[in-house]
Amino acid sequence: KQEVTQIPAALSVPEGENLVLNCSFTDSAIYNLQWFRQDPGKGLTSLLLIQSSQREQTSGRLNASLDKSSGRSTLYIAASQPGDSATYLCAVLIRGAQKLVFGQGTRLTINP
Amino acid sequence: EAGVAQSPRYKIIEKRQSVAFWCNPISGHATLYWYQQILGQGPKLLIQFQNNGVVDDSQLPKDRFSAERLKGVDSTLKIQPAKLEDSAVYLCASSLDRWRGSSYEQYFGPGTRLTVT
Repeated sequence: KQEVTQIPAALSVPEGENLVLNCSFTDSAIYNLQWFRQDPGKGLTSLLLIQSSQREQTSGRLNASLDKSSGRSTLYIAASQPGDSATYLCAVLIRGAQKLVFGQGTRLTINP
Repeated sequence: EAGVAQSPRYKIIEKRQSVAFWCNPISGHATLYWYQQILGQGPKLLIQFQNNGVVDDSQLPKDRFSAERLKGVDSTLKIQPAKLEDSAVYLCASSLDRWRGSSYEQYFGPGTRLTVT
């Protein structure tokens, strides 16, 4: 059974810092991995999607890496801003089932 | 391109009452998903439709939850009777046809926040 874990559960950093969010999964038979952002009371916004054959994806100040063999992904946020404050979720798409399995999320707070 | 639409956005009911949620996926998306997100947790898949057929409903509490997708477009999720532990955000998502070789990226609606008192 696929399990996805995110560490830390919560993170608070001052504005301007670079930071890394971690995601680990137990079964490497995945189709892709997605990072989402969720603002309070809102739905999910897809940030980055990494196919299983890829190593990383970049969008603006965000960079996500994938190491399928070790079951790990990281989301790097450069030059953090207060507007980056949100909950960040990673999810893996199980190969064959096209079913997303989510981690519990990291609640990020960027202090001005 | 319009996104995934859901209604209502918020609902408060008493336990043992019934409630229904509605979802309209992105036009052309054959696959539709319903997720339950309990506060402080990641979303959990309840049911997955391919057109109007059920692909996966293994985590749907079938004694009280039901879902349908008539005509392969809109979908409704119903809870009857509701329990206190059903308080959660119910998210609908859609993706392109699973057999067409795409990234299978899922697009999420804003969710319906259900409070059961």
